[in-house]
Amino acid sequence: EVQLVESGGNLVQPGGSLRLSCAATGFTFSGYWVTWVRQAPGKGLEWVASIKQDGSEKYYVDSVKGRFTISRDNAKNSLYLQMNSLRAEDTAVYYCARAPFEGGWFDPWGQGTLVTVSS
Amino acid sequence: DIVMTQSPLSLPVTPGEPASISCRSSQSLLHSNGHNYLAWYLQRPGQSPQVLICLGSNRASGVPDRFSGSGSDTDFTLKISRVEAEDVGVYYCMQALQTPLTFGGGTKVEIK
Repeated sequence: EVQLVESGGNLVQPGGSLRLSCAATGFTFSGYWVTWVRQAPGKGLEWVASIKQDGSEKYYVDSVKGRFTISRDNAKNSLYLQMNSLRAEDTAVYYCARAPFEGGWFDPWGQGTLVTVSS
Repeated sequence: DIVMTQSPLSLPVTPGEPASISCRSSQSLLHSNGHNYLAWYLQRPGQSPQVLICLGSNRASGVPDRFSGSGSDTDFTLKISRVEAEDVGVYYCMQALQTPLTFGGGTKVEIK
């Protein structure tokens, strides 16, 4: 079964850091783009970042550029999101998802991990 | 950035009846390869989103055939031929032609 499982969400103070992980099973992880999408409480979906199969290309939404870093370890079948200088507006459920190619659809999605930025 | 606009925001439906959701993009989503880089997702209450339609009109694996996607360029439609109770939730369109990838604001489908 193709599965993505996020972890690492937590309560963190403004200005703090957090690292999210996404463990992939059931498919050849190195063959897919993978992405992070977030959803603030009661709000819609927002794309955050995507990374190419070999990690050579990375893209970010403007609001996280310079603060967040997406990375992957194909040997460990894992995706990461290092989040620094966190702000209250980063509070959201963070989902990881895979895409078959650049510009492809997201399928499947993980169950999400909640990041709360508050003092 | 490409702006995605969905309508309606809310859609009360009667089981067994058809339903339709519109999605418009501020720029053409037609790639040079002939495909529209537009996907539809359903987020059921308390669940993660799931893909329904990819490349504008292709039903994803396992998606019931009552769901269909149509349109091209900047104007797209998701249709449900006969709504079932399990179809309630929020539907999102998303463009994947260029970064930043952007979603529509969502359409909440609920049973009357």
